[in-house]
Amino acid sequence: GQNIDQPTEMTATEGAIVQINCTYQTSGFNGLFWYQQHAGEAPTFLSYNVLDGLEEKGRFSSFLSRSKGYSYLLLKELQMKDSASYLCAVRGYGGSQGNLIFGKGTKLSVKP
Amino acid sequence: SAVISQKPSRDICQRGTSLTIQCQVDSQVTMMFWYRQQPGQSLTLIATANQGSEATYESGFVIDKFPISRPNLTFSTLTVSNMSPEDSSIYLCSVQGWIPPQETQYFGPGTRLLVL
Repeated sequence: GQNIDQPTEMTATEGAIVQINCTYQTSGFNGLFWYQQHAGEAPTFLSYNVLDGLEEKGRFSSFLSRSKGYSYLLLKELQMKDSASYLCAVRGYGGSQGNLIFGKGTKLSVKP
Repeated sequence: SAVISQKPSRDICQRGTSLTIQCQVDSQVTMMFWYRQQPGQSLTLIATANQGSEATYESGFVIDKFPISRPNLTFSTLTVSNMSPEDSSIYLCSVQGWIPPQETQYFGPGTRLLVL
């Protein structure tokens, strides 16, 4: 079957660093995405990894290890506005072209 | 700036009725998708909207319940038919091939549906 696992909730302090992990088992792999979703809003795209390694974009970085079926999203210099759910999504092979399989999301609470 | 819009943004409907949700993009895109996000849950793909042909539905979703149209490269509709309270959800359209990276899906603002 296809499965994406990420922690349900995390709490961190303003100004700190937090790492949100994601492990996946899918029928094939054709890219991994991280999205941010504030309560009551649509997901917004954060990062895309298709090759192993670290992609850095400002305060956010995303890492991928295809051999381990593992990714993480690293958030630095946390701000209160970073309180949101973070969704890990994988595109596999087969089925509908472009089909993304989403994890259940990690709800991050940033405290003063 | 580039925009994905959905109408209506929210609605309250009676069971047994149908609602059509529109998704409009301000430039041509390769692919359009419809997702559902039930309360407290993650996103589930309903179908891929194919331009000029029938949509491709995921397991558990059927055309009679969720008819989809895509008459051109910038517009799609999803109809939720014969609604029941279990259909209460957020319905999101997404597009791919819009802005780089081309592999990325970007989401519209969503339609919040409550069925009584």
